[in-house]
Amino acid sequence: KAGVTQTPRYLIKTRGQQVTLSCSPISGHRSVSWYQQTPGQGLQFLFEYFSETQRNKGNFPGRFSGRQFSNSRSEMNVSTLELGDSALYLCASSLGAGLAYEQYFGPGTRLTVT
Amino acid sequence: TQLLEQSPQFLSIQEGENLTVYCNSSSVFSSLQWYRQEPGEGPVLLVTVVTGGEVKKLKRLTFQFGDARKDSSLHITAAQPGDTGLYLCAGKTGANNLFFGTGTRLTVIP
Repeated sequence: KAGVTQTPRYLIKTRGQQVTLSCSPISGHRSVSWYQQTPGQGLQFLFEYFSETQRNKGNFPGRFSGRQFSNSRSEMNVSTLELGDSALYLCASSLGAGLAYEQYFGPGTRLTVT
Repeated sequence: TQLLEQSPQFLSIQEGENLTVYCNSSSVFSSLQWYRQEPGEGPVLLVTVVTGGEVKKLKRLTFQFGDARKDSSLHITAAQPGDTGLYLCAGKTGANNLFFGTGTRLTVIP
């Protein structure tokens, strides 16, 4: 069974631009969560989607948004990029919503904002 | 903010040595997870501990959840180069949120 895939793996953007990252969950998984990982703040929860609905949201500004499609694939968007948005963005999928199910992480998208 | 502090932040040891990594918080968690993350990859779940005082063993790795469910430790016996990676603890709250620790970067030298 294929794991969680994220595209692109690496991305360089300029301040003020916007970016869209994509995540394809493991087949059969209906929940997708997004995390931001930085050396200073560690791994922080962004949001979780289940059945195309956002179920939970972390403490990030409105510039960070996401959506989930009917095939469970998910995208996250960051608008008006800031230097501090440089990070590894990780996507995790699980069978069901919430934390009762094990999360499987993808390899991440490394975003660099210059 | 639920803060999970891990210590040490960095650890470099020789193959065959033993080590312990700590995960501490002032908050109570309903469960605690340990992950290992290797370069270029996402974290992989190693174990979930749920009951205060619980001890779980995974080959050479021993995980313990504190009695008060505020802290946890990971002990590795006879470390091997394959154990190299970033070890993350993550605590789950009653509100169904997951907070990750600051991480311990372990290097095992052959």
